[in-house]
Parts: sequence; structure tokens; C-alpha cells
Amino acid sequence: AQSVTQLDSQVPVFEEAPVELRCNYSSSVSVYLFWYVQYPNQGLQLLLKYLSGSTLVKGINGFEAEFNKSQTSFHLRKPSVHISDTAEYFCAVNEYSTLTFGKGTMLLVSP
Amino acid sequence: SQTIHQWPATLVQPVGSPLSLECTVEGTSNPNLYWYRQAAGRGLQLLFYSVGIGQISSEVPQNLSASRPQDRQFILSSKKLLLSDSGFYLCAWSGGRTDTQYFGPGTRLTVL
Repeated sequence: AQSVTQLDSQVPVFEEAPVELRCNYSSSVSVYLFWYVQYPNQGLQLLLKYLSGSTLVKGINGFEAEFNKSQTSFHLRKPSVHISDTAEYFCAVNEYSTLTFGKGTMLLVSP
Repeated sequence: SQTIHQWPATLVQPVGSPLSLECTVEGTSNPNLYWYRQAAGRGLQLLFYSVGIGQISSEVPQNLSASRPQDRQFILSSKKLLLSDSGFYLCAWSGGRTDTQYFGPGTRLTVL
């Protein structure tokens, strides 16, 4: 069975600083990996996804993630965050046509 | 392009009352459809998914049911709401091999 661990429930960071949100997964087969962002009282918006090919995936809003098969990780990064990036971020794994989500990481960007 | 709608956006209901939440998708045919619940501090929980009209799979035992009367319509229902049914309900659709899921705007349900 697949599972997703987001190691940090909350990440505070100053504006224009770099950030990394960590995600580890467990699965017995090849998977598809996703990051979603959720702003308050809104649905989830797809940031980026890894399906195959290059292990470095670029997404919207300047985010990128790197798939590391040996470490079963899919960490999300941004070199310089903005106040508007304050939101909750969810990592997800698709193994058999259903998504398993991590519990989310709240990114708090302050001036 | 595809769009997904949910309504109502917010709902306040008394305990014991019925529930009906609706989700519709435009711009695609034969999508997979999903209902999730997001309770405070508990992440997203898959409640139901459907691969076609009349085909519903339930992921957890609960006080809720789902129906898919049309190809692009997915309904979440309850006959009698419980306090524990409060939460943020999200509908999603997917299509194609990679099964990327796209989410609706959600319905905030408060049961009092």
C-alpha cells in the first residue's frame, strides 16, 4: 500500500528566502507524483507532477520538484518566495488510479 | 477546456437533516469522479469514486452516500447529518492514463 509523509506540518520563512517542502512516499511499484497548493477556503490547484522522464519537474508560480527514486522523495522547492505563496501544500502519490495525500505543509511567508 | 463546479459553496445544516451536494464537470466525457472530505488537521480523505454512470466505490464506511445519475454529474448525499459530517468537501475529476486529478472549489459544510 502506498503512503505519503510530509515531514513538516508548518514551515515559516521570510519573503524572498528559498524554501524546500519535504515529501517522502512508500510504494511497491512505479508511481506518479504530484504537488498541489490550497489557498484558504479554496479547492486544490495542481502545482506540478512527475509522470516519467526528467527527474526535475518545473511547475507554476516558480516552483520545482525533484524526484529521487532511491530516496523515495519528491521535495518541492522555490528559490525566492513571495507573501502570496502563503498556503497549504499537499504531496500526493497515484499508484492504482487513486491519489494518496500527505497531511499537508503550511507555508507561512512573512515580510 | 475543462471546468468543474460545486454547489453550494457553503452550507449550515442542523443535525439530523438531509444533505445533497452537487458536482458537475464540463468539457470532458466519461471522467473519473471523486468526493473527498477535508476535516481540520486531518488532510484529505477519499470518500467515493466513480468510473462511470451508476458505478460508485466507497472508500470508508460512513453516514454518506454518492450517486452518479449522469456522465458528468456526481452527487453526495446523506439522509441524516451528524456533527462529525462537518468539513470541507471537494469534488475532483480525472481522465486519461496518468489520472491527474483536478479539483473543484469545494463546499464548506457546518453541522450544528
